[in-house]
Amino acid sequence: GAVVSQHPSWVICKSGTSVKIECRSLDFQATTMFWYRQFPKQSLMLMATSNEGSKATYEQGVEKDKFLINHASLTLSTLTVTSAHPEDSSFYICSARYRAPPYEQYFGPGTRLTVT
Amino acid sequence: AQSVAQPEDQVNVAEGNPLTVKCTYSVSGNPYLFWYVQYPNRGLQFLLKYITGDNLVKGSYGFEAEFNKSQTSFHLKKPSALVSDSALYFCAVRDGDTGGFKTIFGAGTRLFVKA
Repeated sequence: GAVVSQHPSWVICKSGTSVKIECRSLDFQATTMFWYRQFPKQSLMLMATSNEGSKATYEQGVEKDKFLINHASLTLSTLTVTSAHPEDSSFYICSARYRAPPYEQYFGPGTRLTVT
Repeated sequence: AQSVAQPEDQVNVAEGNPLTVKCTYSVSGNPYLFWYVQYPNRGLQFLLKYITGDNLVKGSYGFEAEFNKSQTSFHLKKPSALVSDSALYFCAVRDGDTGGFKTIFGAGTRLFVKA
């Protein structure tokens, strides 16, 4: 089956630093990837849609200058949390959408970010 | 716009009893409906989906869900609950007419199965 990986699985960083999270589709090509954020005991909130070769589309209320998304290839999207603050601590989950109908969407295992 | 409602924050069931986790949705086009399960500090695991065809969909681990167009519901069911089914369950919807650009998740329902 289709596999999506995320790296790192967890990261601790200091306030003010930047952190990059990678999302890879291991055995299929994904023209579109999605980034979600999940706070403890809450649902997944869609942050942005990442399209290969073009700018990401951000959901309302998501700061595009803070959460930089790059989808440089059909198998890799990255999310960079810039100038991280403790309130950015969260569980970040990516998903990759298969390029052909019915556009199956596969989820990564998530990345736990803790900003101290 | 799409939306998903999971009216119950928590469902408690005794082991061996049937369980139901409720989900209703709103979407302008044809609904693609999904159920996922999440264990602590883990990503999402796919359980089942409805795209088209039979309204009763069977999925992983003995779960099933029934698509009801008139009631815009997609409730998750299992005939006999196991303690290991205790987890967080998410219902999700995509608008099939737009090529599935976004999957929107419900708030989640925590299932507790007591031995």
